[in-house]
Amino acid sequence: KQEVTQIPAALSVPEGENLVLNCSFTDSAIYNLQWFRQDPGKGLTSLLLIQSSQREQTSGRLNASLDKSSGRSTLYIAASQPGDSATYLCAVQPTGTASKLTFGTGTRLQVTL
Amino acid sequence: DTAVSQTPKYLVTQMGNDKSIKCEQNLGHDTMYWYKQDSKKFLKIMFSYNNKELIINETVPNRFSPKSPDKAHLNLHINSLELGDSAVYFCASSQDLYWTANTEAFFGQGTRLTVV
Repeated sequence: KQEVTQIPAALSVPEGENLVLNCSFTDSAIYNLQWFRQDPGKGLTSLLLIQSSQREQTSGRLNASLDKSSGRSTLYIAASQPGDSATYLCAVQPTGTASKLTFGTGTRLQVTL
Repeated sequence: DTAVSQTPKYLVTQMGNDKSIKCEQNLGHDTMYWYKQDSKKFLKIMFSYNNKELIINETVPNRFSPKSPDKAHLNLHINSLELGDSAVYFCASSQDLYWTANTEAFFGQGTRLTVV
């Protein structure tokens, strides 16, 4: 059974700092891994999708890496801003099954002034 | 031009009532889903539908009955609501049922259900 864990559960950093969010999964048989952002009381916004054959994806100040063999992904946020404050979720799609994302427990990020 | 839209955004109701949440996607996707986010913020799949056909039912109580009138809509009807049903329910869609490496899921804004 696929399990996805995110560490840390919560993180507070001052504005301008670079930071790394971690995601680990127990079964490496995945099609891809998605990072989402969830703002309080709002829906999920897809940030980055990394295909299983890829090592990393970049979008603006965000860089996500994937090491499928070790079951790990990181989301790197450069030059953090208060507007980055949100909960970040990673999710994996296992191969060989009908589509069913397995989510991590999330990291709640607060960027302070 | 919201891709996946849910209504209502908030729903407060008493125990024992029956309620529905509606979901529509304008992405032309074949597959739609319902996910539940509990009080600990853990998201878990409930159902998936592909072209109006039920594919996944993750041991959800039969008080929950999804209905897909067409592939652009997936509604969730809940009978005899219980306190434990309080959660945020998310609708989502993707192009395909069986994913490829670049298949991406798109989520609605969520419906916060509170049962009192």
